[in-house]
Amino acid sequence: QQQVRQSPQSLTVWEGETAILNCSYENSAFDYFPWYQQFPGEGPALLIAIRSVSDKKEDGGFTIFFNKREKNLSLHIKDSQPGDSATYFCAASENYAQGLTFGLGTRVSVFP
Amino acid sequence: NAGVIQTPRHKVTGKGQEATLWCEPISGHSAVFWYRQTIVQGLEFLTYFRNQAPIDDSGMPKERFSAQMPNQSHSTLKIQSTQPQDSAVYLCASSLETGAQNTLYFGAGTRLSVL
Repeated sequence: QQQVRQSPQSLTVWEGETAILNCSYENSAFDYFPWYQQFPGEGPALLIAIRSVSDKKEDGGFTIFFNKREKNLSLHIKDSQPGDSATYFCAASENYAQGLTFGLGTRVSVFP
Repeated sequence: NAGVIQTPRHKVTGKGQEATLWCEPISGHSAVFWYRQTIVQGLEFLTYFRNQAPIDDSGMPKERFSAQMPNQSHSTLKIQSTQPQDSAVYLCASSLETGAQNTLYFGAGTRLSVL
């Protein structure tokens, strides 16, 4: 079973809207939660990350909201642009020295 | 900085043949990871080296798959007797492993197709 679950599987938004991607996890020991962005034909690239001591992290138009008690987090893409169309992966690890466990991803399509 | 380099980008093998995938990590990075990506399973962790030493191979199928890192500038993933279910994109990533964040820098991957 997936230790990191993402929803929805795919998401379509119009340019300028806020896209909301959800992620939940099972392992209470997970401490570090990065989101990776992947374009077709490329490897995933780090977009933004949060540690479990924080409940919010912002970077440009991207915001992570984290709820440790509920073991879930969300990525908000504000003012979505067609260039944000990609697959977004939520990941988690117990500490920085371990490999990441990834969710199955959310494919986001932004239409002009 | 050219990033993580993976070769070849595409590899086609016949069932039962051997496939060797190559990865050149970012210079100075101490950790190298291998992942397998499919639509159904997503990104699956395979194995991890730190300073060329194998640290965790818990994701590696015990038969037919092996990984090595003979020097700090390259790692290989070898699949013996390839099967159609091995078809996937194999991703290599490297990391500095410093501080409180472990940013993985991924290569573009090798797409393996087993006919």
